[in-house]
Amino acid sequence: QVQLVQSGAEVKKPGASVKVSCKASGYTFTGYYMHWVRQAPGQGLEWMGWINPNSGGTNYAQKFQGRVTMTRDTSISTAYMELSRLRSDDTAVYYCARAYYYGSGVHLEYYFDYWGQGTLVTVSS
Amino acid sequence: SYVLTQPPSVSVAPGQTARITCGGNNIGSKSVHWYQQKPGQAPVLVVYDDSDRPSGIPERFSGSNSGNTATLTISRVEAGDEADYYCQVWDSSSDQVVFGGGTKLTVL
Repeated sequence: QVQLVQSGAEVKKPGASVKVSCKASGYTFTGYYMHWVRQAPGQGLEWMGWINPNSGGTNYAQKFQGRVTMTRDTSISTAYMELSRLRSDDTAVYYCARAYYYGSGVHLEYYFDYWGQGTLVTVSS
Repeated sequence: SYVLTQPPSVSVAPGQTARITCGGNNIGSKSVHWYQQKPGQAPVLVVYDDSDRPSGIPERFSGSNSGNTATLTISRVEAGDEADYYCQVWDSSSDQVVFGGGTKLTVL
């Protein structure tokens, strides 16, 4: 069965960086894009970007451009999300989510069919 | 950037029908997906491609999408349906994913 298992909670100081991992199992890791979504306490879901595990190509939300880096290690079926220059408002639960594509051509669409359990990142001095 | 608007809260009595809306400019031309999130848990897909249900999701969950509004309908609401619900689309013009602000469903 498909599983996405994320790394444990982190506490960081403002200005530091954090790297969260997401280990995939139960499917071909390189066959599905991996997205990252975060959720601040009591707030909604916020999309951060994706990585194509096959090519390593990435696409980041404008808000995080220059601060986020998504990478992968195909040998261990793991995706990573690193966020730098952390601020207090980066305190959130960070999720990885697998994208399932359907349709074709101009009608290609996708949704998130599996999610990791979430990683709480707390930024505090 | 594309914006999705959801009501912050919806309340319904057990056994009744809950309707949660998601508004966006010409959203009917996009594919809308809905997620359920219970406290302390990751989101779960309940409807995809406007109106399809993943396996394991009860038939009580259905969706529609037309014009500027998509709607998630939950029939015969149960206490276990109490959760936050989020709509989501992919804005192909900018290759960005957009979530609605979320709606808290309260079962009275």
